Amino acid sequence: EVQLVESGGGLVEPGRSLRLSCAASGFTFDDYAMHWVRQVPGKGLEWVSGISWNSGTIAYVDSVKGRFSISRDDAKNSLSLQMNSLRADDTALYYCVKDFGPMVRGIFYSWGQGTLVTVSS
Amino acid sequence: EIVMTQSPATLAVSPGERATLSCRASQSVGSDVAWYQQKPGQAPRLLMFGAATRGTGVPARFSGTGSGTKFTLTISSLQSEDFAFYYCQQYNNWPPSTFGQGTKVELK
Repeated sequence: EVQLVESGGGLVEPGRSLRLSCAASGFTFDDYAMHWVRQVPGKGLEWVSGISWNSGTIAYVDSVKGRFSISRDDAKNSLSLQMNSLRADDTALYYCVKDFGPMVRGIFYSWGQGTLVTVSS
Repeated sequence: EIVMTQSPATLAVSPGERATLSCRASQSVGSDVAWYQQKPGQAPRLLMFGAATRGTGVPARFSGTGSGTKFTLTISSLQSEDFAFYYCQQYNNWPPSTFGQGTKVELK
């Protein structure tokens, strides 16, 4: 069974940094592209960033370019999102998501339960 | 950026009835559309990809059609567990991959 467990969320002041992690199990992690998708509570879904199986393709939504950095550690079956210069509009539940295959295709096949990031002074 | 527009925002349906949800893309996305179901307090679940291919374990009462700019998700006979939010998403032209704003299917 695919399991994706996010951690690292919390309350942070504007301008500060936070690092999210996702522990993956139940599948061959390095065979799949991975993503972060966020959702403001009570609102819709927004794709944030994706990384291919070999880290050869990395993409971000414009609003986080230059501030967020996605990475993966295949030895640890782990996905990370380094978030710098956080803003109030980054407040959301962040989901770790497994893609359909190795390339950054964008079919969000399996989801974690999310970790909440709140940016506020 | 491709804009995905869902209609209606809310759909009131009785159990056993048919539910038809629509999604329109601002430009052609071929068949690269997925649908997700989200219940309160839960993560989204993939229902459909490639516009018409059901995800793992998705009941046959869910079906998807469409190509280009118009897409439809149909629930043939609504069950109590189907009351939820539904989101369409395009993955043809990205980054970014974009979602619709969602349709809430509620009890009539």
